[in-house]
Amino acid sequence: DADVTQTPRNRITKTGKRIMLECSQTKGHDRMYWYRQDPGLGLRLIYYSFDVKDINKGEISDGYSVSRQAQAKFSLSLESAIPNQTALYFCATSEIDRADTQYFGPGTRLTVL
Amino acid sequence: SQQGEEDPQALSIQEGENATMNCSYKTSINNLQWYRQNSGRGLVHLILIRSNEREKHSGRLRVTLDTSKKSSSLLITASRAADTASYFCATGQRAGSYQLTFGKGTKLSVIP
Repeated sequence: DADVTQTPRNRITKTGKRIMLECSQTKGHDRMYWYRQDPGLGLRLIYYSFDVKDINKGEISDGYSVSRQAQAKFSLSLESAIPNQTALYFCATSEIDRADTQYFGPGTRLTVL
Repeated sequence: SQQGEEDPQALSIQEGENATMNCSYKTSINNLQWYRQNSGRGLVHLILIRSNEREKHSGRLRVTLDTSKKSSSLLITASRAADTASYFCATGQRAGSYQLTFGKGTKLSVIP
């Protein structure tokens, strides 16, 4: 969905490096989410944000941090990347009054060597 | 842990045939959704069915929900090669809840 963009689309890094993944949206949605997807598995929620001042941990937040710079921007950081953080990362958004349906970005494929 | 479990894990059919995928879940829900993911891309919302609904249609898609059996099915009629993708069910436990719990998905291959 072109309304939700993620950068970079692909990233290869080394163990111990700090990595930031960025998400921007033009949908005007208040709620934003970060998920990771591992091969053969569904999506697992890392962090979510209801607005700029409201950030919450998801199911698997250890090793990750986030920043909501503006309504339209939500960044995910790996402070010290490790190999088991190799995955496909997705950002998603939803409307505050229709939070059931989420709109996903194209994903960032991260490889940690 | 995953709330939804799709079945089968993989499905291969000929173009023009119908494809049926199933999803089972464990706890009570407010709604169940189906998403499609083309290889390596983001998920796209297909259809949402609420717990008080039994069947819903959208184009070639038909979704059923049986809350007594905690299961749902997604039927794609007259499949096309472009339907080749992974399909995920996701459950929402509360109305307006932010949190969706995704299953592991069914990988559908439609052979031209």
